[in-house]
Amino acid sequence: NAGVTQTPKFQVLKTGQSMTLQCAQDMNHNSMYWYRQDPGMGLRLIYYSASEGTTDKGEVPNGYNVSRLNKREFSLRLESAAPSQTSVYFCASSETAGKETQYFGPGTRLLVL
Amino acid sequence: GNSVTQMEGPVTLSEEAFLTINCTYTATGYPSLFWYVQYPGEGLQLLLKATKADDKGSNKGFEATYRKETTSFHLEKGSVQVSDSAVYFCALITSPDKLIFGTGTRLQVFP
Repeated sequence: NAGVTQTPKFQVLKTGQSMTLQCAQDMNHNSMYWYRQDPGMGLRLIYYSASEGTTDKGEVPNGYNVSRLNKREFSLRLESAAPSQTSVYFCASSETAGKETQYFGPGTRLLVL
Repeated sequence: GNSVTQMEGPVTLSEEAFLTINCTYTATGYPSLFWYVQYPGEGLQLLLKATKADDKGSNKGFEATYRKETTSFHLEKGSVQVSDSAVYFCALITSPDKLIFGTGTRLQVFP
């Protein structure tokens, strides 16, 4: 039971390049989330998926797109990376939407030059 | 809007000292409250939670009590260890899917 897994662990991009961050969970959770973590700012929600087939914007969605591929997988895409997107990205999942505990993956460290 | 305020760090303590990390919140409705811990190079792990007023969450010697009258959820531990060195995040959730984090407090424990 791996919990929440993320790939890659670390990535360097040049400005304007695109990439997709992958996330998968094996806990049969319905809801999944993408956060970014920046120094002094805690974690901020980028996008979330309350259930398979739905996605919604969070606090900082600009420059990102998401796909809920199936119940297990939720990907985050940067179409044209910018230095402001240098951050650590965390995926999380919870059993349902609402006041449920969220479980986090190990993170992807992204550097945009 | 909803928000969480944590004390700024770093908090530096000697092993076996008493720990308090302050957390206060602003929220509409009746939030659930959480403490998450992030060890170096790792993701966030749930440390403890409380879902209603006067509930006490506890885990691994850490405790926090949901105080509605003071809108607080302070984290305490009676005797810290070097292995407790990490960043601690207070968080709340009210409406569905909106987990709101504080900025985190780094704890450094020295032998």
